[in-house]
Amino acid sequence: GAVVSQHPSRVICKSGTSVKIECRSLDFQATTMFWYRQFPKKSLMLMATSNEGSKATYEQGVEKDKFLINHASLTLSTLTVTSAHPEDSSFYICSASPRLAVSSYEQYFGPGTRLTVT
Amino acid sequence: GEDVEQSLFLSVREGDSSVINCTYTDSSSTYLYWYKQEPGAGLQLLTYIFSNMDMKQDQRLTVLLNKKDKHLSLRIADTQTGDSAIYFCAESPGFQKLVFGTGTRLLVSP
Repeated sequence: GAVVSQHPSRVICKSGTSVKIECRSLDFQATTMFWYRQFPKKSLMLMATSNEGSKATYEQGVEKDKFLINHASLTLSTLTVTSAHPEDSSFYICSASPRLAVSSYEQYFGPGTRLTVT
Repeated sequence: GEDVEQSLFLSVREGDSSVINCTYTDSSSTYLYWYKQEPGAGLQLLTYIFSNMDMKQDQRLTVLLNKKDKHLSLRIADTQTGDSAIYFCAESPGFQKLVFGTGTRLLVSP
């Protein structure tokens, strides 16, 4: 149980276009989903926390107009990178927390999406 | 503040023990975690330790926690080539919030 999927696993887009990444909890309802960004050989940086039905909370330094997050249902959150630039190229990972989670260890990670902007 | 540090690289031979170290700064973390990331993949939770524990053992994994020094370590006994991956420690300064370390790349050679 507790499987989180991401789609697509890899995407290449041209500079200036927008790209949407989906994060789904397959066998549980996720009240909260998290979006992380991982630079090469670096740690994961939390970008934002999204709760179903409400606006996402962005970490300091993350542009909310550039990284649009929607958490429309208890099993789906989307991250849209708008007007992508090469510096947005990165590995994006989502995680999801079950509805009755009492601790951070109940946070399940997706396999990640590799975004390359040319 | 939130700052989690790890050494970047560790190389061991198959069958040896591996010890990955981590220092953290937030003493309020209720749990501390170890995650494994294989190439091109997401994170897999390996184990976690409650902050009032000194040690936790789970099969080949032993976690040691020194709260006074804010030091966490992960020992992998009888390391196998399949253990080659990046290992992240993480603290939890707030409910459901995780702050990850810089990651230690473990290379296990035959």
